[in-house]
Amino acid sequence: GDSVTQMEGPVTLSEEAFLTINCTYTATGYPSLFWYVQYPGEGLQLLLKATKADDKGSNKGFEATYRKETTSFHLEKGSVQVSDSAVYFCALSTLPGSARQLTFGSGTQLTVLP
Amino acid sequence: NAGVTQTPKFQVLKTGQSMTLQCAQDMNHEYMSWYRQDPGMGLRLIHYSVGAGITDQGEVPNGYNVSRSTTEDFPLRLLSAAPSQTSVYFCASSGPDSGNTIYFGEGSWLTVV
Repeated sequence: GDSVTQMEGPVTLSEEAFLTINCTYTATGYPSLFWYVQYPGEGLQLLLKATKADDKGSNKGFEATYRKETTSFHLEKGSVQVSDSAVYFCALSTLPGSARQLTFGSGTQLTVLP
Repeated sequence: NAGVTQTPKFQVLKTGQSMTLQCAQDMNHEYMSWYRQDPGMGLRLIHYSVGAGITDQGEVPNGYNVSRSTTEDFPLRLLSAAPSQTSVYFCASSGPDSGNTIYFGEGSWLTVV
């Protein structure tokens, strides 16, 4: 079945540091890939997505590139801020043209220190 | 601009009790779902619905019932609560006008003692 493997946390960085959170996947067909973010006490919000190979999703300074050859979708940000402290989830959907059923990774807790 | 609304936000139940988690969306989304979030396991799909009158099981459906009598509402029922159902529950919805992006509620924290 489909699965998503995320870099284990927690991750602690200083403000303005470079962030990478690794995500690899196993799926049949050609999945769409997503990063969701969960701030403390809140629900999940879509951060970015990519629907086909070599697509780059970007939002709020975060980027991730859909790499079919390495089945990866690593999340990166050049300079993190304290406000980026949250849990980040990588997810995939294999339903064509839809994000209806998501398979999630286990989440990575990020803490950014001032 | 309510989006996906879940109630209650916090609940403590005794083993064997039943309860219903409410979920409502005001975006006219056809697709709704329930996930549970457990430490180190991400979110897992419990049940989902592709429209009023239609429901189906997800990855972890045992111990839960759902119904979809209207487009707006998708309640999740715990028939006889067990400590293993202690979790955070998220309702979600999506539709073609949202680009099929899934929108999540703020979560319901349930503790079964």
